[in-house]
Amino acid sequence: DAGVTQSPTHLIKTRGQHVTLRCSPISGHKSVSWYQQVLGQGPQFIFQYYEKEERGRGNFPDRFSARQFPNYSSELNVNALLLGDSALYLCASSLLVGDLPYEQYFGPGTRLTVT
Amino acid sequence: SQQGEEDPQALSIQEGENATMNCSYKTSINNLQWYRQNSGRGLVHLILIRSNEREKHSGRLRVTLDTSKKSSSLLITASRAADTASYFCAKVQVDAGKSTFGDGTTLTVKP
Repeated sequence: DAGVTQSPTHLIKTRGQHVTLRCSPISGHKSVSWYQQVLGQGPQFIFQYYEKEERGRGNFPDRFSARQFPNYSSELNVNALLLGDSALYLCASSLLVGDLPYEQYFGPGTRLTVT
Repeated sequence: SQQGEEDPQALSIQEGENATMNCSYKTSINNLQWYRQNSGRGLVHLILIRSNEREKHSGRLRVTLDTSKKSSSLLITASRAADTASYFCAKVQVDAGKSTFGDGTTLTVKP
């Protein structure tokens, strides 16, 4: 079975531009979460989506938005890019049984560089 | 910094030795998960321990959880050079719909 896939692998943008990152969860997984990982730090939670609804949001500005599609894939959009948005963006999928999330399975990430 | 800290920040041991890393957190959790990350790529899930569990094992890995002290530990026994990686704990809060990671422990296992 394919794991979580993310595209693109690497991306270089300039300040002020907009970027869209894509994620396909493991087949059967209905929950997708997005994380930002700056070099030398742990992942920071951005969003969680389940059944196309936003279930959680981290402490990120409104320039960050996301959505989940009927096939459970997801997009993360970042507007008006800043140098500080340079990071590894990780997507994770998981099963939700009742209200309890189980193990999260992470994709390889998208390395975004803002110049 | 984020909720919950791993310590130590860095750990260097010889192959065959045991490695212990710790994780603390501040608010109540539903479960806690440990991950490994190699070279800044995707995280690999190692173990999930629920708030009503005290200990779990998986191969050479042993995780404990002490909810009274709001802490967890990951023990890797008989370490190998291939265990060299960064290890993170993630605290899961269902009502907030979020997982919170610390900044990790960087483990170096020397052959």
